[in-house]
Amino acid sequence: GESVGLHLPTLSVQEGDNSIINCAYSNSASDYFIWYKQESGKGPQFIIDIRSNMDKRQGQRVTVLLNKTVKHLSLQIAATQPGDSAVYFCAENTGGFKTIFGAGTRLFVKA
Amino acid sequence: DVKVTQSSRYLVKRTGEKVFLECVQDMDHENMFWYRQDPGLGLRLIYFSYDVKMKEKGDIPEGYSVSREKKERFSLILESASTNQTSMYLCASEDTGELFFGEGSRLTVL
Repeated sequence: GESVGLHLPTLSVQEGDNSIINCAYSNSASDYFIWYKQESGKGPQFIIDIRSNMDKRQGQRVTVLLNKTVKHLSLQIAATQPGDSAVYFCAENTGGFKTIFGAGTRLFVKA
Repeated sequence: DVKVTQSSRYLVKRTGEKVFLECVQDMDHENMFWYRQDPGLGLRLIYFSYDVKMKEKGDIPEGYSVSREKKERFSLILESASTNQTSMYLCASEDTGELFFGEGSRLTVL
């Protein structure tokens, strides 16, 4: 029979606006967090990471915020561009070999 | 730049067929991984390898096996493909926590 997958959370923003993508992680022992971007037809690509001894890290147009108290991670994209349209995954790692991925958020950028 | 190459982008197989998915990385990374990606479920780890001839089960190893005969090559094997293995398969190599992914292999099992 037909199987129906879960729907991805989506975020739609106007070009030029800032985007905030949120993620709740599961393991309080996780000490390394990464955001990946996956464009259509491609594998995920690293955007930015943060270790648990930090609460904020900035890259080029992107900022990651970590709130360990509530186990929350966010990715902020400044001046969102059409090329930012993609699925964004947060991922957590406890220092071992396994990286645990979230379900992903689809970002649509309206021109 | 790290390059992870998956040899087949699209495959269509029949139920019961044996399927090989090949992955090669060119950065001499120790660790390699196979994930499957399904809508709304994110990436789920099937198997990983931290050295030649070494392998560890991930979260969903049932119905799969792997082979790591050379450091640069990590193969995923479906001994007898089933329709519920229709999915996108992603190979990755890892360096200090960062995963480098291939473009993916979309497998359809009829």
